[in-house]
Amino acid sequence: SYVLTQPPSVSVAPGQTARIPCGGSNIGSKSVHWYQQRPGQAPVLVVYDDTDRPSGIPDRFSGSNSGNTATLTISRVEAGDEADYSCQVWDSSGDPIIFGGGTKLTVL
Amino acid sequence: QVQLVQSGAEVKKPASSVKVSCKASGGTFSSYALNWVRQAPGQGLEWMGGIIPIFGSTRYAQKFQGRVTITADKSTTTAYLEMSSLRFEDTAVYYCARGRFCSTTPCGNFDYWGQGTLVTVSS
Repeated sequence: SYVLTQPPSVSVAPGQTARIPCGGSNIGSKSVHWYQQRPGQAPVLVVYDDTDRPSGIPDRFSGSNSGNTATLTISRVEAGDEADYSCQVWDSSGDPIIFGGGTKLTVL
Repeated sequence: QVQLVQSGAEVKKPASSVKVSCKASGGTFSSYALNWVRQAPGQGLEWMGGIIPIFGSTRYAQKFQGRVTITADKSTTTAYLEMSSLRFEDTAVYYCARGRFCSTTPCGNFDYWGQGTLVTVSS
């Protein structure tokens, strides 16, 4: 089964840029989706198909995907961005829906 | 406005079963897949399986095959997750989530989520 690897935590100061990686074998050939989950709340889709944003998601959130790493980038980080972020892909072999382990973003 | 509203928290004993519901409104029920995702305390998201109501087809994660049953009632636009032989490690928040389907398999991203249902397995 396909495996997605995320660092457990990333820290960033307010106003700076946070980059959250998601590693997988040849992940650049897949579409990657990202979810934000605040404590006690359901996940929210913030980036889909590598780079697209759903309606209502600020343009501070962006994504990229190439080679073996996809990255969620959050520009001008705010205190309210503190949350867990998970990547997800669809895989045509094995289990079709795969999530990364999640990364806790801490705003210093 | 699409909404997925789940049933309330459950406390179950080991070896028993639980059934959680997910009522969908505001969208076309049969045009999407309904998936179930769980999250154990302090852990990440884990896809359990999904159903495509227009076909009645289901797909389960290998880990849950044989212990989980996902059904859908198109007349009430409600999906259900039933899990049997509960263990302490099944204690988690269970989410339903709407997604697309490719042929007869869930695929793509999940654009709407239910509020979550806490299932506690305790003796």
